[in-house]
Amino acid sequence: QSVLTQPPSVSAAPGQKVTISCSGSSSNIGNNYVSWYQQLPGTAPKLLIYDNNKRPSGIPDRFSGSKSGTSATLGITGLQTGDEADYYCGTWDSSLSAGQVFGGGTKLTVL
Amino acid sequence: QVQLQESGPGLVKPSQTLSLTCTVSGGSISSGDYYWSWIRQPPGKGLEWIGYIYYSGSTYYNPSLKSRVTISVDTSKNQFSLKLSSVTAADTAVYYCARAGVTATLDYWGQGTLVTVSS
Repeated sequence: QSVLTQPPSVSAAPGQKVTISCSGSSSNIGNNYVSWYQQLPGTAPKLLIYDNNKRPSGIPDRFSGSKSGTSATLGITGLQTGDEADYYCGTWDSSLSAGQVFGGGTKLTVL
Repeated sequence: QVQLQESGPGLVKPSQTLSLTCTVSGGSISSGDYYWSWIRQPPGKGLEWIGYIYYSGSTYYNPSLKSRVTISVDTSKNQFSLKLSSVTAADTAVYYCARAGVTATLDYWGQGTLVTVSS
């Protein structure tokens, strides 16, 4: 069971908007930065969002991130079929079992 | 552009030690700004952090794997390595190496290597 909680799946039509939630606690999301990763089928994860809401160079502004309290959200607008992938949130957990933690992943289907 | 590449055996027998190396190019492990990480992903499952190493040799391990994990660094070769002892079928996974910044952002990843534990 993952430390961070994500919905197993979300879906939307091309051109639409979707959000993916990531819920944690004060020891992780509540006091640390959140990152989001996109994993296309058969490939390594790729950084999409870092420090809660920043995009690395080359990531289109269709992707956005936000954080409030102990939850974070990834937003994707103007959905494309190429966005079909697994999405993971990640952060540091400062509890006694300190370390990098991830959500269980959310499968995005573009209908 | 920083690149990471995992290498090592794709098949390990139960109870033996899994050994992988990550070679970093396009940047120096000794730069001091980053932590060098191992993450794994069992087939069809999510990501699991194994641990980090800093260029100085300081390490941070996942508490659930700590008793079996050793991560080391060779700055002269710009490489870092993973050893996981007493493996079982549950350790079968794609193993990734990655670079982590101070906010735990994993910004560069290797392509991953599948390690199967089987006799």
